[in-house]
Amino acid sequence: EAGVAQSPRYKIIEKRQSVAFWCNPISGHATLYWYQQILGQGPKLLIQFQNNGVVDDSQLPKDRFSAERLKGVDSTLKIQPAKLEDSAVYLCASSPGTSGEQFFGPGTRLTVL
Amino acid sequence: DQQVKQNSPSLSVQEGRISILNCDYTNSMFDYFLWYKKYPAEGPTFLISISSIKDKNEDGRFTVFLNKSAKHLSLHIVPSQPGDSAVYFCASRYPGTYKYIFGTGTRLKVLA
Repeated sequence: EAGVAQSPRYKIIEKRQSVAFWCNPISGHATLYWYQQILGQGPKLLIQFQNNGVVDDSQLPKDRFSAERLKGVDSTLKIQPAKLEDSAVYLCASSPGTSGEQFFGPGTRLTVL
Repeated sequence: DQQVKQNSPSLSVQEGRISILNCDYTNSMFDYFLWYKKYPAEGPTFLISISSIKDKNEDGRFTVFLNKSAKHLSLHIVPSQPGDSAVYFCASRYPGTYKYIFGTGTRLKVLA
């Protein structure tokens, strides 16, 4: 079974630029999560999708972050414009929704200069 | 406000001995708890879980204990192996949801 795929793995941008991350969850998983993990901290939930609907986006900075999950499969997370404090690893995870376990992708390490 | 805390940022243990990683939470409504292990440049991988209706769950070398009155859970690894060296995160779930709050992690180093 293929795992959660994410791209790119690394991205370096200047502040005020835009960036987008892509996630392909495990086939059949209804729930998809985007987390932000700042160095030295635990993953913080940004947004949770159930199929292609948003379940929770209470911690998503909506003035600069957006996410979508078209057709209930792949998802993209966009930051526009980026700030220095957005430097972090962005993790995508999926779950079948029938158990607590989440399956994480390898993450995208974003550096904002 | 950190609802899930792992107060020890790092821990070193000799190979073959027991590793004990601790996690405290503040919200008594959390109903499900998980432990994840994370290697560098990889995403976290699920290790073991426990429901709030239980006080212990065991899977091979890994045992999780839950003390609801103290709002405390711990992960025991016996015996510890060098391959267990990683960052360990605990996560707590809001009831009736699949939303999790993660702790800050504990870096375990098992010395050969």
